Amino acid sequence: SQKIEQNSEALNIQEGKTATLTCNYTNYSPAYLQWYRQDPGRGPVFLLLIRENEKEKRKERLKVTFDTTLKQSLFHITASQPADSATYLCALGSAGNNRKLIWGLGTSLAVNP
Amino acid sequence: GAGVSQSPSNKVTEKGKDVELRCDPISGHTALYWYRQRLGQGLEFLIYFQGNSAPDKSGLPSDRFSAERTGESVSTLTIQRTQQEDSAVYLCASSLVGRTGKPEAFFGQGTRLTVV
Repeated sequence: SQKIEQNSEALNIQEGKTATLTCNYTNYSPAYLQWYRQDPGRGPVFLLLIRENEKEKRKERLKVTFDTTLKQSLFHITASQPADSATYLCALGSAGNNRKLIWGLGTSLAVNP
Repeated sequence: GAGVSQSPSNKVTEKGKDVELRCDPISGHTALYWYRQRLGQGLEFLIYFQGNSAPDKSGLPSDRFSAERTGESVSTLTIQRTQQEDSAVYLCASSLVGRTGKPEAFFGQGTRLTVV
């Protein structure tokens, strides 16, 4: 069955460092992959989308890579700030008849001042 | 509206009662999702509506759960004979899915359901 794995352990890093989060998937060929941020008590908020034919996408301090051979996406936050502390989720989608998103459980990031 | 709207934002109900949760998606969004999220847990898929296609109900945990959506507008999630394990935040999301649409999902603020 389709499966998405994200780092289950919380990631703690020092302010200013680069945070790297991982999203691995199996039994799936996504047309695109998305990253979302979720703060406590709120719904997830979309950050970035990368399509299957793209290797890398950037937005300000965020960078996403997508390796369809390894079936993995890496999400980087450079020059991290305490305000970046949140849970980050990846979601995969297909271009087929069923467009339902498949979600990972998320990784908690804490950026310490 | 400008975003996905859910109501009520909080609901406390007695065990055994029925509850109805409402979601107003972003106008024009063809896809609508319902998720359940327990405290400290990930998103649990419940049901997915896509245009006029038959909904994907594969995530509904029991026959006490049902959802309706009329066309591409409002959706309601109904939980009958609520149990304490139904206590969670219920999140609704909508997206514009299609060849030219952007598939990112926009979430509402959720309904926090507490069954006492």
